Amino acid sequence: DAGVIQSPRHEVTEMGQEVTLRCKPISGHNSLFWYRQTMMRGLELLIYFNNNVPIDDSGMPEDRFSAKMPNASFSTLKIQPSEPRDSAVYFCASIYSNLGPTNTGELFFGEGSRLTVL
Amino acid sequence: SQQGEEDPQALSIQEGENATMNCSYKTSINNLQWYRQNSGRGLVHLILIRSNEREKHSGRLRVTLDTSKKSSSLLITASRAADTASYFCATDTGRRALTFGSGTRLQVQP
Repeated sequence: DAGVIQSPRHEVTEMGQEVTLRCKPISGHNSLFWYRQTMMRGLELLIYFNNNVPIDDSGMPEDRFSAKMPNASFSTLKIQPSEPRDSAVYFCASIYSNLGPTNTGELFFGEGSRLTVL
Repeated sequence: SQQGEEDPQALSIQEGENATMNCSYKTSINNLQWYRQNSGRGLVHLILIRSNEREKHSGRLRVTLDTSKKSSSLLITASRAADTASYFCATDTGRRALTFGSGTRLQVQP
């Protein structure tokens, strides 16, 4: 299996621009997670989906952030407009869970998308 | 707020020595997991210990869990330069997705 695939790996953009990060989970996995990693705040859960439905988006910082999962093999995280404080590494992770949306076992992470907003 | 807090934040040892990292958490858990992250890479799962287990081994890794103290430790025996990485504990409370601690940066000197 190719693992969780994220794109782009690196993105540099200017404040105010729209940023779209993409994730392809492992085939057969039914839960998908977006995390953000910064030196100051560590790894923070932004949102997670179970069977393509958003279950917990309480970690999404503000209305500038939105996430979608139109099908089982694709998810996007969009920031519009972007700000310098959004600079971070954004990770996508997936898992197969047969015990409901809050059950988590071993997560499989992608390599991350490093975002720099100037 | 972070559920898990690792201690120490950074650790530097010589090859062949053992490395011990600790994790403390705040609320009851279903399981606790340890992950490794090499610089510039994603996190990789190392080991999962359930709340009714006290100790678990995997190769050179040994994990303990003390639910009464809400703490866990990860021991890496006979460390190698290739073990240099950041190590994170993560807690599964059954109420939310995994919550990660702040991590321990391990440097193993050859």
